[in-house]
Amino acid sequence: TQLLEQSPQFLSIQEGENLTVYCNSSSVFSSLQWYRQEPGEGPVLLVTVVTGGEVKKLKRLTFQFGDARKDSSLHITAAQPGDTGLYLCAGHENYGGSQGNLIFGKGTKLSVKP
Amino acid sequence: DADVTQTPRNRITKTGKRIMLECSQTKGHDRMYWYRQDPGLGLRLIYYSFDVKDINKGEISDGYSVSRQAQAKFSLSLESAIPNQTALYFCATSQGKTYGYTFGSGTRLTVV
Repeated sequence: TQLLEQSPQFLSIQEGENLTVYCNSSSVFSSLQWYRQEPGEGPVLLVTVVTGGEVKKLKRLTFQFGDARKDSSLHITAAQPGDTGLYLCAGHENYGGSQGNLIFGKGTKLSVKP
Repeated sequence: DADVTQTPRNRITKTGKRIMLECSQTKGHDRMYWYRQDPGLGLRLIYYSFDVKDINKGEISDGYSVSRQAQAKFSLSLESAIPNQTALYFCATSQGKTYGYTFGSGTRLTVV
């Protein structure tokens, strides 16, 4: 069974601080995705990383895929209250006979206080 | 209109009642999914469907059933609701095996 472990589980910071959240697995994934979920809404896809070592930037958010394609990180610079939400990483099943469904981590719940 | 629409948004029902949650999409995606989300447990897959004639059980299908009435419609039923089915339920769609998911806004279900 492929699993994705996210850390930390909870993070509470002040506006303007930087932070990094992590997504780790013992399995290799062909790609990893990051989603953000705001209270009362469904998760929304932020980014997909495909190549080992890949770095993608989305405004103040920087996503990195590990060289071995087993882990990923999300770094937020100068966090703002609007960044508050649940951040989920996800990867497609890629073992023999799998249907390619997404496996989700349990998420990092971020709270950014003004 | 939203790409993936779930109805109702909120529902309170009594133990033993049958309830249906509905999902419709305008994305034109073949793949559709039902998840439930519980604090500390994350998103867990209930059922998924790759086309109208293809229905598959996920990791927690007991107590649930689904119907894929058309490419755009996928409904989830709780045959006899019980309190531990209280959760946030999400429908999602996908274009294919390596693509991301588009989620609906969810249904908050409370079974009393």
